[in-house]
Amino acid sequence: KAGVTQTPRYLIKTRGQQVTLSCSPISGHRSVSWYQQTPGQGLQFLFEYFSETQRNKGNFPGRFSGRQFSNSRSEMNVSTLELGDSALYLCASSSLPGGTPLETFGSGTRLTVV
Amino acid sequence: DQQVKQNSPSLSVQEGRISILNCDYTNSMFDYFLWYKKYPAEGPTFLISISSIKDKNEDGRFTVFLNKSAKHLSLHIVPSQPGDSAVYFCAASAGSNFGNEKLTFGTGTRLTIIP
Repeated sequence: KAGVTQTPRYLIKTRGQQVTLSCSPISGHRSVSWYQQTPGQGLQFLFEYFSETQRNKGNFPGRFSGRQFSNSRSEMNVSTLELGDSALYLCASSSLPGGTPLETFGSGTRLTVV
Repeated sequence: DQQVKQNSPSLSVQEGRISILNCDYTNSMFDYFLWYKKYPAEGPTFLISISSIKDKNEDGRFTVFLNKSAKHLSLHIVPSQPGDSAVYFCAASAGSNFGNEKLTFGTGTRLTIIP
C-alpha cells in the first residue's frame, strides 16, 4: 500500500516569504503529525491533527500553522520565513490519535531559506 | 532545553562488531523510550522500544537497555551489518497514553558500519 507522501521534496524560499507543505497520509489513517528535523535540535514535534482537529501542539511560534482536510490530507504553513526555518519537515500518519510508535513517516520536505 | 540527549553525533564500527548507541534524558517523568532508524531521504522508522518497568528489551540483533537511576538508555546492535549504517534517534514519552503526550527526540547519532 502507498506510504505517506510529502510534496514537494525540496523547496528553496527567501526570508520573509511564506511556504505551504503538503502531506498525504496512508489510506485510512486519520492522524497526521508534523515534525521539524534540524542538526542541532533533532526531531521536534510541531502539531498533530486528527479528524480535522488539532489535538496537540509543540513549542513553535504562531508562524507555524497547519490544517487537515476531510480526506485526512494535511498542509503545514510557515509564514514570514526565517533562516532558522531551514530544516527537513517530516509528516507522519497513523490510524489512532497520538499514534506513536505506530506512526509511519514520510520522506520529508527539505526547506532551505536563503 | 534538550531533555533527551545523544552526545555522540557520530560513531564508526567495524562490521561484525557490536555497536552501542547511547542516550541520556533529564525528565524523570519519561517512562517509555523508543529508538528510530533513519536512512537519508527517508523518514524515520520505528526500531525498538522499552517501558520503564523493564531494564532490557531484545529483538533479534537489537537490544535496548534502560538504567532508570542513571536516566540512561543504550541500543546495542550485534553483530553490526553494513545495512545498519543510518542515523539513530532516541525518543522518550511521559505516560504510555500516547493520546496526551508526544515524543521528545534526541539529536541523533550517525552510525557508520565499516566493511
